[in-house]
Amino acid sequence: AIQMTQSPSSLSAFVGDRVTITCRASQDIRNDLGWYQQRPGKAPKLLIYAASSLQSGVPSRFSGSGSGTDFTLTISSLQPEDFATYYCLQGYNRPLTFGGGTKVEIK
Amino acid sequence: QITLKESGPTLVKPTQTLTLTCTFSGFSLTSSAVGVGWIRQPPGKALEWLALIYWNDDKYYSPSLESRLTLTKDTSRNQVVLTMTNMDPEDTATYYCAHRLTQFSTTWAIENFQHWGPGALVTVSS
Repeated sequence: AIQMTQSPSSLSAFVGDRVTITCRASQDIRNDLGWYQQRPGKAPKLLIYAASSLQSGVPSRFSGSGSGTDFTLTISSLQPEDFATYYCLQGYNRPLTFGGGTKVEIK
Repeated sequence: QITLKESGPTLVKPTQTLTLTCTFSGFSLTSSAVGVGWIRQPPGKALEWLALIYWNDDKYYSPSLESRLTLTKDTSRNQVVLTMTNMDPEDTATYYCAHRLTQFSTTWAIENFQHWGPGALVTVSS
């Protein structure tokens, strides 16, 4: 199975900060990577698909980049509603595998 | 508008079989490139993919759980049913079903879990 290593596992930031989360795949997954946001007690929500495509309705402060094995989710200016846990998910091979998550907290 | 909702028992005993139903609306599991997946999340832990069923009845399971999982679909009722046998306290988790759709560009076709149910917490305890 492809392993997805996500870092950091948690971070603290101020509103307005630029935040970067990374995900590394154990093998080449082309661009078959999605990023999901999960607020406490809620279901995950798709933010980015195909590594860099913004899902409809998602604010443009979210962006994704990368291909192959290294991927990045960037929040250009952190907003109060962005404090949540973020997960990457590879769909290139089954079994589908998630990263371990990054919890973004208020500083 | 696409919606999904998980239903089933909130408490099961160890060794029992769990049956969860995902009832959905706004899409059809007879349409090409459509699937429904199951994902779970133990309290305070990360998401884990369990299983996936497609419009053509292709099914895929997590290798670590494959021997315990079965997926079926009822397209007339817009439902997907997941059964998990021999439940253990470590299976305590929130179980989500999600709509999987293929998105296309000129150079790729990639699937995603676009819509999710609210989740159903299942506790395994005697």
